[in-house]
Amino acid sequence: TAGITQAPTSQILAAGRSMTLRCTQDMRHNAMYWYRQDLGLGLRLIHYSNTAGTTGKGEVPDGYSVSRANTDDFPLTLASAVPSQTSVYFCASSRDSSGANVLTFGAGSRLTVL
Amino acid sequence: KQEVTQIPAALSVPEGENLVLNCSFTDSAIYNLQWFRQDPGKGLTSLLLIQSSQREQTSGRLNASLDKSSGRSTLYIAASQPGDSATYLCAVRRGSARQLTFGSGTQLTVLP
Repeated sequence: TAGITQAPTSQILAAGRSMTLRCTQDMRHNAMYWYRQDLGLGLRLIHYSNTAGTTGKGEVPDGYSVSRANTDDFPLTLASAVPSQTSVYFCASSRDSSGANVLTFGAGSRLTVL
Repeated sequence: KQEVTQIPAALSVPEGENLVLNCSFTDSAIYNLQWFRQDPGKGLTSLLLIQSSQREQTSGRLNASLDKSSGRSTLYIAASQPGDSATYLCAVRRGSARQLTFGSGTQLTVLP
């Protein structure tokens, strides 16, 4: 089934450690996004990529970095995790960055930073 | 800054009832609005996408309407079923795909 695969599903991480959340899509979508979902705050955009080789900052980018070496993969890295980064992280994609297309989401990665 | 509000935060109805979920937004200069469903511990599934030039979209028992001038959208669910129990989120797009603002969602429980 075509879609987005995120890994890991769940992770507990010590503060100060680094972590990379993986995201792979097989729909050949040009645009990809990382969101975090927190109770009471809804979903907030961390970083995005309109096409392979380009990235941009979203609403809450501090403490996170991304790369887009190819169309399919869009990893999110926490260089030095802090407890406030405890959240559920969702990767999403769309056919292009125009905004006219439906957004497709992965199943999420639950991260706990202690 | 665009703000999206969904009221109520939670709703419980008996099976078979028709129901309406509400979404309001502060900036009417939107490109489109999308309704999602989220099951516990899962990702978001797109239900309906309404472009700014449209007034409504239908898919099966679901009907979404959009009134840009009043900054409102509704999701109508006909003949609700226990399988409809989930959190429903609306998201408003102002311009490019990254300019998407989500509401906090309405948690729906349909009782058998």
